[in-house]
Amino acid sequence: GAGVSQSPSNKVTEKGKDVELRCDPISGHTALYWYRQSLGQGLEFLIYFQGNSAPDKSGLPSDRFSAERTGGSVSTLTIQRTQQEDSAVYLCASSLPGTGFSGANVLTFGAGSRLTVL
Amino acid sequence: DAKTTQPNSMESNEEEPVHLPCNHSTISGTDYIHWYRQLPSQGPEYVIHGLTSNVNNRMASLAIAEDRKSSTLILHRATLRDAAVYYCILRLLIQGAQKLVFGQGTRLTINP
Repeated sequence: GAGVSQSPSNKVTEKGKDVELRCDPISGHTALYWYRQSLGQGLEFLIYFQGNSAPDKSGLPSDRFSAERTGGSVSTLTIQRTQQEDSAVYLCASSLPGTGFSGANVLTFGAGSRLTVL
Repeated sequence: DAKTTQPNSMESNEEEPVHLPCNHSTISGTDYIHWYRQLPSQGPEYVIHGLTSNVNNRMASLAIAEDRKSSTLILHRATLRDAAVYYCILRLLIQGAQKLVFGQGTRLTINP
C-alpha cells in the first residue's frame, strides 16, 4: 500500500483480556518498528524487526508483550492479560534497511492503534 | 543509547523563523541526526536528517555544529500548521542494524 496501515484504530478492552494489534508496512520496507506513546508522553521504543535477523526486543516492558512478523511483512503486537497502564497509542513504522554506515533511511509511521484498558 | 536533550516547549509567531535546539553530546561518528515532528492526533512524520554538513529541504534546514554535539532545526517562516512536537533523534547503529530512540521532544506553539 501507499502507507503504513494499522488496525484496529481504536480498541477498548477489559483488564485481563488479550489484545492483538496489526501493522501492515509499506511494500518493500524490510525494517519494522513498534513504539508506544502514553498520553502526553514521547515515544517509547518497543521492538524492531530487520529482515530475517533476530528482532531487537529490548524495549518490551514485560513478558506480557510479544510481537511477530510473518513472511517479512505484516506484524502483530500481542499484549496478554492487559493492565490499565497498557493504555496508550501503539505506533508502527517501517523503513528501507538502514544497515551500514552510509545512508540514513527514514521511518514512515502509521496512524496508530489507540488501546484503552478499562 | 546516545541521548538527545531538547527544551520541553517553545513558542513563536506566525511567519517568523523558528530555531529548535538539540544537544547530543554523546553522539558517535556514525550516528545520523534525524528530526521528526508529530502533529496532533497523528503519527510522527520525517522532517530532515544529516550527518556533518548543514542540510536544506522543502520543510526545513538543519544546522549541525562543527563538533556535532548539537544541532538546530530551522523553520524559516512558521505557519500555524507547524505547531507540533518536534523530536531530535540519533540514528544508532547497533550490531549493524539501525535503531531510533525518541526523547520527549519540543512542543512548538505558533501564535497567529
